[in-house]
Amino acid sequence: ILNVEQSPQSLHVQEGDSTNFTCSFPSSNFYALHWYRWETAKSPEALFVMTLNGDEKKKGRISATLNTKEGYSYLYIKGSQPEDSATYLCAFMDISWGKFQFGAGTQVVVTP
Amino acid sequence: DVKVTQSSRYLVKRTGEKVFLECVQDMDHENMFWYRQDPGLGLRLIYFSYDVKMKEKGDIPEGYSVSREKKERFSLILESASTNQTSMYLCASRTSNEQYFGPGTRLTVT
Repeated sequence: ILNVEQSPQSLHVQEGDSTNFTCSFPSSNFYALHWYRWETAKSPEALFVMTLNGDEKKKGRISATLNTKEGYSYLYIKGSQPEDSATYLCAFMDISWGKFQFGAGTQVVVTP
Repeated sequence: DVKVTQSSRYLVKRTGEKVFLECVQDMDHENMFWYRQDPGLGLRLIYFSYDVKMKEKGDIPEGYSVSREKKERFSLILESASTNQTSMYLCASRTSNEQYFGPGTRLTVT
């Protein structure tokens, strides 16, 4: 059973369209929420580290929001491009430090 | 620029073989991790290490062991590979709040 859930599992998006997807996580003992982009044949790459309720982060056309009270984060891609095609992973870190709990990922495919 | 390397990108082994997956990081991180990734299951932690010669079981350690003789190197060992260990294996090293991944090793056990 995954405590961290991502939906949808996969997305097909037309080039130029915007899209978003969700990561839900336990709302207690929150320390940080990480987003990664994992392109085929490459290492997962860190996108955002989010720590405060209400956080909004942006990197180019990609942005993320965080709601720690209700336990969810949204990742948005504006004007999707084929190079945005990847699996997007979120990872929850609780206050006991410890380990990351990863979601199963959302696979995004952007078609020209 | 942090670099985490893994010894092989693709590996095919037979059931019962002993398998070594090597991971090296060049940023002097104390914390290193081994995960496996399977469809629909996310990244699952196998073992991690806080320091040299130190190891802790993760969520799914059965069938695996690890070795950390030097700070930069963390090895994952499959003592007797089985078909249910066919998976993508990812190594990572970490600062207090950021985790850096290697490119992964896709292991097939036949």
